[in-house]
Amino acid sequence: RKEVEQDPGPFNVPEGATVAFNCTYSNSASQSFFWYRQDCRKEPKLLMSVYSSGNEDGRFTAQLNRASQYISLLIRDSKLSDSATYLCVPDSNAGGTSYGKLTFGQGTILTVHP
Amino acid sequence: DVKVTQSSRYLVKRTGEKVFLECVQDMDHENMFWYRQDPGLGLRLIYFSYDVKMKEKGDIPEGYSVSREKKERFSLILESASTNQTSMYLCASSFLAGGPGSSYNEQFFGPGTRLTVL
Repeated sequence: RKEVEQDPGPFNVPEGATVAFNCTYSNSASQSFFWYRQDCRKEPKLLMSVYSSGNEDGRFTAQLNRASQYISLLIRDSKLSDSATYLCVPDSNAGGTSYGKLTFGQGTILTVHP
Repeated sequence: DVKVTQSSRYLVKRTGEKVFLECVQDMDHENMFWYRQDPGLGLRLIYFSYDVKMKEKGDIPEGYSVSREKKERFSLILESASTNQTSMYLCASSFLAGGPGSSYNEQFFGPGTRLTVL
């Protein structure tokens, strides 16, 4: 089983649509979770941190289900500028000190069209 | 704003050359990381460092070495470049987590170096 599994997509949605991405992770010791966004030929940048059951930031909502080891990202009212690859990132906690290592999923590609 | 810079955006080298990739961060972060990113494989950790002169192997260290002589600078070295090391190389940094049970901190990335080995 991969450490982080994401549907690679691509998801092609019209502007204004709501789209959801799912992610499962295998490390039950992970405690911190992030969603990163990566534009084409650019570096990944933090979109949201998810520390408890979930949180919301404007049009973006992240949910965490620790029992199922499942994270989701919901984007409402999609904009053209949301087109990017979205990376699911749990920490690499191994029960001791993991020096801040994170495990990056391969990403889900989103294309928002007019 | 946190800034992570990398010495080159694009680099072309020949097989067998020794290659140095430099990364500098200006936020006094303890942790620094080197990844490579390839289509279909995502980000893979090569090496990381949690303190000056300290280094740990990541998932794919073969063919690479690193150096961290100063806190703000982390170098990736390809001792003898090979064509299968053609890739996008990304450096990242973060504050040290507070220890077992504490929250991890986000990693900040540099713009990447696209290395082509001919």
